[in-house]
Amino acid sequence: AQSVTQLDSQVPVFEEAPVELRCNYSSSVSVYLFWYVQYPNQGLQLLLKYLSGSTLVKGINGFEAEFNKSQTSFHLRKPSVHISDTAEYFCAVSPSGGGADGLTFGKGTHLIIQP
Amino acid sequence: KAGVTQTPRYLIKTRGQQVTLSCSPISGHRSVSWYQQTPGQGLQFLFEYFSETQRNKGNFPGRFSGRQFSNSRSEMNVSTLELGDSALYLCASSLIGQGAEQYFGPGTRLTVT
Repeated sequence: AQSVTQLDSQVPVFEEAPVELRCNYSSSVSVYLFWYVQYPNQGLQLLLKYLSGSTLVKGINGFEAEFNKSQTSFHLRKPSVHISDTAEYFCAVSPSGGGADGLTFGKGTHLIIQP
Repeated sequence: KAGVTQTPRYLIKTRGQQVTLSCSPISGHRSVSWYQQTPGQGLQFLFEYFSETQRNKGNFPGRFSGRQFSNSRSEMNVSTLELGDSALYLCASSLIGQGAEQYFGPGTRLTVT
């Protein structure tokens, strides 16, 4: 079984400042890692994913994340945020060894951009 | 290419009733997964279908069921509704499932009174 911990339920940041949203996971098997964003009254949109290879992953909207296997972390970063980045962000994992397990999500981090 | 569509978008039901939600995946996607999103429990996996077969199921009671048709469209059914079933139900489709990007629909907001 897998579990995901998003350490901050809410992160307030000033516009144009950098931000890091933290994600740690626990799993007895190798996993794929994902970050999704959810805007109000909408479904989830994939920001980026790590399947294998380079541990630094670049996604849409200027976001990037770094996979750290020893620390079992997959933190999301953006060097300069905009008002439009205000949303709920979810970290998720799924087993990489095959099968049909669904995504296991963290509780989410609400990113609040202050002008 | 059209995205994942879910109908209806909003639904109000009474305790004890049953409900059926529908999901149409992106054309060519054969895997459909369902998730329940609530403020208290967050996003939880319900089940996944691939080629009309349920491949996995999350930790939900038997009142929650689903099916997939030959055109990959999927339905989920909740019988004997409880107040706690009030949630946003999200459907996601992907090409093959494991590791493939899941594309989410806008969800169906179910309110049980």
